[in-house]
Amino acid sequence: GAVVSQHPSRVICKSGTSVKIECRSLDFQATTMFWYRQFPKQSLMLMATSNEGSKATYEQGVEKDKFLINHASLTLSTLTVTSAHPEDSSFYICSATRDSYSGANVLTFGAGSRLTVL
Amino acid sequence: KQEVTQIPAALSVPEGENLVLNCSFTDSAIYNLQWFRQDPGKGLTSLLLIQSSQREQTSGRLNASLDKSSGRSTLYIAASQPGDSATYLCAVRSNSGGSNYKLTFGKGTLLTVNP
Repeated sequence: GAVVSQHPSRVICKSGTSVKIECRSLDFQATTMFWYRQFPKQSLMLMATSNEGSKATYEQGVEKDKFLINHASLTLSTLTVTSAHPEDSSFYICSATRDSYSGANVLTFGAGSRLTVL
Repeated sequence: KQEVTQIPAALSVPEGENLVLNCSFTDSAIYNLQWFRQDPGKGLTSLLLIQSSQREQTSGRLNASLDKSSGRSTLYIAASQPGDSATYLCAVRSNSGGSNYKLTFGKGTLLTVNP
């Protein structure tokens, strides 16, 4: 089955530093990857949609200069939280799909990355 | 704007009990609805996906129903087990233009099955 790996699973950083989170599709080529953020006891909120070889599409209210997304290959997307602040502390989850227009698509989710900014 | 609500927010039941989790959504123009399981600090595991043209899906002890016109879905868990303890999330994929895969999630129902 399709497997999506996220790394790191946990990261603690100081305020003002940048943190990179990787999302890899291990056994399939992911044309589209999605980044979500989940605050405690809240819904997963879509941050951006990442298509291989093109710029990411950000949801309203998400700062593209703060959350840099790169989808340079069909198996890897990265999310970089720049100049992190304590309010950026959250659980970040990626998901991937191999098909762009499949009607029966199933998204595969990574295990998530817990970011804590001190 | 699609909004997804899940009731109850938390549920605690004794082992062996049958239970129902509820999900409602405001915009009935959906492509499909999906139920996920999330264990603490972990990612999401897809349980059942119901296409908009379907009424229900079954997998083992799980049965999900969809009433698109009324904007409701239920997840029925039969003979619950302690291993079923997790947060259950409902997500709908909207049928509008733009991003084909945008999912709107509910806040989830935290289920605890007591031995």
